[in-house]
Amino acid sequence: EAQVTQNPRYLITVTGKKLTVTCSQNMNHEYMSWYRQDPGLGLRQIYYSMNVEVTDKGDVPEGYKVSRKEKRNFPLILESPSPNQTSLYFCASSSRGTGVGELFFGEGSRLTVL
Amino acid sequence: GQSLEQPSEVTAVEGAIVQINCTYQTSGFYGLSWYQQHDGGAPTFLSYNALDGLEETGRFSSFLSRSDSYGYLLLQELQMKDSASYFCAVRAGGFKTIFGAGTRLFVKA
Repeated sequence: EAQVTQNPRYLITVTGKKLTVTCSQNMNHEYMSWYRQDPGLGLRQIYYSMNVEVTDKGDVPEGYKVSRKEKRNFPLILESPSPNQTSLYFCASSSRGTGVGELFFGEGSRLTVL
Repeated sequence: GQSLEQPSEVTAVEGAIVQINCTYQTSGFYGLSWYQQHDGGAPTFLSYNALDGLEETGRFSSFLSRSDSYGYLLLQELQMKDSASYFCAVRAGGFKTIFGAGTRLFVKA
């Protein structure tokens, strides 16, 4: 089954404790990206990657890091989480051929930073 | 700055037709997409317009006018299960994807 898998789905952590949210897709997609969703703000892009070892900033990259060492994986790293990073996070992927017009989303990771 | 504007809420009755508009202002434009998101769920893709005109997929249609920086999603024969949030999204320059804040659709019996 074609899917984008995120882990963990739910996480409560404390300020400053490094965490990683994993994202994996099994569709051989070139394009992968991370979004955060906050009430009334829609989805805002954090980082995206067009291929292995190629990443770029979205609109809200501060406080986040990413890496793309393998085509299927695109982890999101919060080196020192703060309460304003409490949010619902989505990973998404797309094939280059569709011009990233059709994004496939993971089920989301709800993060709370105390 | 880059922005997409869409209504925050729309209410319609079952069986009716509803149109959700989206206007955008972005640096670069490659296409307009629409996504549906039910409460507690992930966004799911509905349609994508790269060229001007109407795209039809079953009960859903999407329209794009690049000269007006405008598009809309048309939902026909509304069903209760269509109650959800709908987001327009632009694939802008540099492979960025920018989403609108979403339109909450309420379908009444």
